[in-house]
Amino acid sequence: AQSVTQPDIHITVSEGASLELRCNYSYGATPYLFWYVQSPGQGLQLLLKYFSGDTLVQGIKGFEAEFKRSQSSFNLRKPSVHWSDAAEYFCAVGPGPSGYSTLTFGKGTMLLVSP
Amino acid sequence: NAGVTQTPKFQVLKTGQSMTLQCAQDMNHEYMSWYRQDPGMGLRLIHYSVGAGITDQGEVPNGYNVSRSTTEDFPLRLLSAAPSQTSVYFCASSYEMGGELFFGEGSRLTVL
Repeated sequence: AQSVTQPDIHITVSEGASLELRCNYSYGATPYLFWYVQSPGQGLQLLLKYFSGDTLVQGIKGFEAEFKRSQSSFNLRKPSVHWSDAAEYFCAVGPGPSGYSTLTFGKGTMLLVSP
Repeated sequence: NAGVTQTPKFQVLKTGQSMTLQCAQDMNHEYMSWYRQDPGMGLRLIHYSVGAGITDQGEVPNGYNVSRSTTEDFPLRLLSAAPSQTSVYFCASSYEMGGELFFGEGSRLTVL
């Protein structure tokens, strides 16, 4: 069975500083990997996804993530955080091209942005 | 583009009442699913469907029923609401199971 761990429940970053949100997964084969963002009172919006190919993935709003197979990680990064980035971020893992199962989500990381 | 539409957005129930959360998508997705979101628990899968007439249980199915008579619609029924079902519910759809999910805006349910 697949699983996802987001080690940080909350992270506070100063506006303009860089950001890295951690995501570790457990899955026996090559997975599909996703990052979603949820603003207060809203649904989840896809930031980026990894299916195959280049392990550095670019997403919307200036976010990127890097798939590191050796570390079973898919960390989300942004060079300069804006106040509007304050939200909850969810990492998710899917079964990949050789599997057949539902997505599994991490418990989320709440990002707070200080002025 | 409507995407995934959920109704109602807010609902208050008394213990023992029944209700249906509606979900519709206009993307011709075969896969649809229902999640509940609780503080500190992330998203937990309630039920899912891989096509019309086919449904299956997720991680937390007890107290909920679903059916899939059309590709577009996937309602979630609470037969006898309990305070433990107070939550935010999200419907999501995808071209295929395990692929990118498209979410509705959520339905906030309070059971008194």
